[in-house]
Amino acid sequence: NAGVTQTPKFQVLKTGQSMTLQCAQDMNHNSMYWYRQDPGMGLRLIYYSASEGTTDKGEVPNGYNVSRLNKREFSLRLESAAPSQTSVYFCASSARTSGFTDTQYFGPGTRLTVL
Amino acid sequence: QKEVEQNSGPLSVPEGAIASLNCTYSDRGSQSFFWYRQYSGKSPELIMFIYSNGDKEDGRFTAQLNKASQYVSLLIRDSQPSDSATYLCAVNQDYGQNFVFGPGTRLSVLP
Repeated sequence: NAGVTQTPKFQVLKTGQSMTLQCAQDMNHNSMYWYRQDPGMGLRLIYYSASEGTTDKGEVPNGYNVSRLNKREFSLRLESAAPSQTSVYFCASSARTSGFTDTQYFGPGTRLTVL
Repeated sequence: QKEVEQNSGPLSVPEGAIASLNCTYSDRGSQSFFWYRQYSGKSPELIMFIYSNGDKEDGRFTAQLNKASQYVSLLIRDSQPSDSATYLCAVNQDYGQNFVFGPGTRLSVLP
């Protein structure tokens, strides 16, 4: 049981290049999320998917697109990378806990540098 | 903008002491509250969550919630050097997928 996995772990891009960050979970969770974490700013939600086939914007969606490929996989695409997108990206999934509230579990993160 | 605020620290406590970490939130309708620990270069890991006013204990950790004051705290008893990390407070505003994170408090436990 691997939990939440992310690929790649590290990536360096040049301005204007595109790439896709991959995320998969094996916990049968319905909801999945993409966050970015910058120094001193905590985790900011980019996009989330409440269930297979649905996606919604979070706090900072500009410059990103997502695909919920199936229940297990949720990818994040940068179409034209900018230096402002240099960050650590975390994928998470969540499940209802005690029949009351969702609880999130995080992947190991992708460290992205845009030059 | 709905906000979650934490003192960025660093908070330094001696080994064996009680560490007290605080978090305030702006949305009075927030329903559930989470504490995560994040070691440098690692991903956040869930410590505990709370949704009812009062205290909730789990081992050396106690979460305290006061919805009237819009305040949630985490107490760590018998602090160990291995507790040195950044502690993130998160608020779920509707029991669903809408999580808002604070910036985190860096804790340093001194041997």
